[in-house]
Amino acid sequence: KQEVTQIPAALSVPEGENLVLNCSFTDSAIYNLQWFRQDPGKGLTSLLLIQSSQREQTSGRLNASLDKSSGRSTLYIAASQPGDSATYLCAVRANDMRFGAGTRLTVKP
Amino acid sequence: GAVVSQHPSRVICKSGTSVKIECRSLDFQATTMFWYRQFPKQSLMLMATSNEGSKATYEQGVEKDKFLINHASLTLSTLTVTSAHPEDSSFYICSAGTGGYKTNQPQHFGDGTRLSIL
Repeated sequence: KQEVTQIPAALSVPEGENLVLNCSFTDSAIYNLQWFRQDPGKGLTSLLLIQSSQREQTSGRLNASLDKSSGRSTLYIAASQPGDSATYLCAVRANDMRFGAGTRLTVKP
Repeated sequence: GAVVSQHPSRVICKSGTSVKIECRSLDFQATTMFWYRQFPKQSLMLMATSNEGSKATYEQGVEKDKFLINHASLTLSTLTVTSAHPEDSSFYICSAGTGGYKTNQPQHFGDGTRLSIL
């Protein structure tokens, strides 16, 4: 069974910092990996989807990388803003879709 | 873009009531839908996977008779929490996608249903 781990569990940074969130998974036989944002009490907002054949995807200040062979992905957030404060979840898609426990990010003004 | 509508967004009801949650794909045909449960400050736990026209596959520890899933059409899946009790209170989220089980097609998520059992 696929296990997805996210480190750190929580992160607090001052505004403007660049930061990296980590995601690892145990079974490299995946179709894709997706990063989501979740605000308290809300649903999921998809940020980036990386197919298994891809190495990275970029959207604005966000960059996600995927190293399928080592079972790792990173989400890089450049020039963080208070509005980036949320929980970030990664999920891997194989025959089903499994989530990590998330990283709770706080960006202080 | 692909839209998944989940209804209702919020349910408050008495213990013993059965509650039905709907997950609809509005602009695409969803061959596969996933149902998740999320407790406060925890991640999404997969409950079951359903493919249109077949029985759902439940994760270990999820009671099939408690959480009834019906995926009768390519645009609608329902989760019924039967005889709900306070411990069933949670945030339930569905996702829908094309391509069946084995696919690289993205899953699209509903906004979730917050279920509170008194």
